[in-house]
Amino acid sequence: EIQLQESGPGLVKPSQSLSLTCSVTGYTITSGYDWSWIRKFPGNKMEWMGYISNSGSTNYNPSLKIRISITRDTSKNQFFLQLNSVTTEDTATYYCARSPLLQWFDYWGQGVMVTVSS
Amino acid sequence: DIQMTQSPASLSASLGETVTIECRASEDIYSNLAWYQQKPGNSPQLLIYDANSLADGVPSRFSGSGSGTQYSLKINSLQSEDVASYFCQQYNNYWTFGGGTKLELK
Repeated sequence: EIQLQESGPGLVKPSQSLSLTCSVTGYTITSGYDWSWIRKFPGNKMEWMGYISNSGSTNYNPSLKIRISITRDTSKNQFFLQLNSVTTEDTATYYCARSPLLQWFDYWGQGVMVTVSS
Repeated sequence: DIQMTQSPASLSASLGETVTIECRASEDIYSNLAWYQQKPGNSPQLLIYDANSLADGVPSRFSGSGSGTQYSLKINSLQSEDVASYFCQQYNNYWTFGGGTKLELK
């Protein structure tokens, strides 16, 4: 069974960096598919943030391009989100998810709530 | 950016009723649309992809239709386990999401 699980701090101070990990079991992230980060804001708006492909290439939402980095550790079957210079507007529930090439998301993690506050 | 306008934002229906949720795209998305169900505390679950294809394991009372800029999700014979939030997502140009519909029992 394919499972994705997000982990990371639930509280980040403004101007600092947000770092999250997505651990994948049941499928090897280099075997195929794209691996995305998506967030859901209070009030339910959802935003795709970016992905790392099975080959390691990345693609980011243009609105986040200067602040975001997605990387991976293939030995641990994990991929990571780093979002720099966070503000209170980055408070959201963050999900990792899998998609067939540029299509729907067929597996999602449970989500991790991150609050940006001093 | 392709904007996705979903309606209604909330919906109250009775068991056994048929429910329809709609999504309108700001431009033609050529049926590159998915629908998801999300229950409180759970991750989103894929229901429909390519506008009208049922995902594995999804009950046949769920169906999707539409083309161009207008799409809909229909739930026939509403069951108690269908109480959830539903949202659409386009993948014709990057990914953008509808605002969601919260479905409750009347």
